[in-house]
Amino acid sequence: AQKVTQAQTEISVVEKEDVTLDCVYETRDTTYYLFWYKQPPSGELVFLIRRNSFDEQNEISGRYSWNFQKSTSSFNFTITASQVVDSAVYFCALSDYFYNQGGKLIFGQGTELSVKP
Amino acid sequence: NAGVTQTPKFQVLKTGQSMTLQCAQDMNHNSMYWYRQDPGMGLRLIYYSASEGTTDKGEVPNGYNVSRLNKREFSLRLESAAPSQTSVYFCASSPPVQPQHFGDGTRLSIL
Repeated sequence: AQKVTQAQTEISVVEKEDVTLDCVYETRDTTYYLFWYKQPPSGELVFLIRRNSFDEQNEISGRYSWNFQKSTSSFNFTITASQVVDSAVYFCALSDYFYNQGGKLIFGQGTELSVKP
Repeated sequence: NAGVTQTPKFQVLKTGQSMTLQCAQDMNHNSMYWYRQDPGMGLRLIYYSASEGTTDKGEVPNGYNVSRLNKREFSLRLESAAPSQTSVYFCASSPPVQPQHFGDGTRLSIL
C-alpha cells in the first residue's frame, strides 16, 4: 500500500532561519510521482514541485530546494532564509500514474510551519 | 481566471439532509477528483474520474456519490449527511502526468 509520512506536525522558526520539512514515502511501484503543496492560511492549495521516480536530481527554486533520495524513500523540502510569508501547512504527496486511469494523490498529514518575525 | 470552481464555499446542514457539491474546471482536463481535508489527516481521496464517463472510489467513499456530468463538471453528493462528514472538501483536476489543480474548497458543517 502507498503511504506518505510527514513526522513533523508543527515547526516554529524565527525569520531568516533555514528549515527542512521531512517526507518519507512507501510504494511498491517503480514509476511514481512525488509532490509538494503549500496551503497558506487562506486555505487554497498551491502546487510547488513534482518529481518523477526516475529523476533523483535535487532541485532549487529561489529559496526553496528539494532533496529526493530513493535509497531512503525520502523527498525533503528545505526553505532557506525563511520569511513570515512562508508560514503555511505544507503537504507532501505521492501518486502512481497510469495513463487514462488518473493520478490519485496520497497525501501526508501535513507540516504546519510558523515563521516568526 | 481559468481554474477549478467549487460551489458553494460554505454550507451548514442538519443531520440527514442531502446536498450536492458542484465542481467545474475550464482547463479541458481529463481527470477530476474529490478530496476531504480533516485536521491532522491531510487530504484523503473520496472519488475520482479518470476521464469523462468513468468514476472510481478512492480511500474514503462511504456516504458519498459522484457524477461526472461532462468533461467540465464533477459533482459530489451527500445523500444523508452525518456529523462525521463535517470537513473541507476540495475538487481538483489534472491533465495526464501533470500536477493537480485544486479549487478553493467547500467548508461543510453538519449539525
